Amino acid sequence: GQSLEQPSEVTAVEGAIVQINCTYQTSGFYGLSWYQQHDGGAPTFLSYNALDGLEETGRFSSFLSRSDSYGYLLLQELQMKDSASYFCASGGAGSYQLTFGKGTKLSVIP
Amino acid sequence: EAGVTQSPTHLIKTRGQQVTLRCSPISGHTSVYWYQQALGLGLQFLLWYDEGEERNRGNFPPRFSGRQFPNYSSELNVNALELEDSALYLCASSLVVPFFGQGTRLTVV
Repeated sequence: GQSLEQPSEVTAVEGAIVQINCTYQTSGFYGLSWYQQHDGGAPTFLSYNALDGLEETGRFSSFLSRSDSYGYLLLQELQMKDSASYFCASGGAGSYQLTFGKGTKLSVIP
Repeated sequence: EAGVTQSPTHLIKTRGQQVTLRCSPISGHTSVYWYQQALGLGLQFLLWYDEGEERNRGNFPPRFSGRQFPNYSSELNVNALELEDSALYLCASSLVVPFFGQGTRLTVV
């Protein structure tokens, strides 16, 4: 089976940087994905790490260390619109059938 | 390019009824995944279809079922609806990482 752990809530100030951590236990690992979900909306794909290291996409970066079973999402220059829930997710057994963490609710304050 | 589309967007059903939700994947995507997201909870994997075959199902009772058509669109059927089935039902399609539709919000009363 698979399980992913992430903090339930994070609060950060507009313009700051925030890091959302994710640790996982999987019987087979097929990369770590990150999704953003605003209240009432659908999850939106942000980033995917198949290999160790840092992936950067604009203000968002994601990092993976497979030896540590750990990854994080880094959001820079926080904006109010970044207030949302962020989910890490992992596939296993050679598929992209994802298991999701319970999500981290990010609140950006002025 | 159109994204994943789901219909209907909202639905209200009575306990004991049956419901069918529909999903059209992104053009060229052969895999379709269904997830349930109950209010305030994470996404729970329901079903995975690929090339018309059910590849895997999550820990849900048999009254949750579905199918995938030759054009790769998919249906999710839920029989004998229960109050706790009220949730956002999300469909995703993928070649690599899954992309989600806007979901169908089902309310069972």
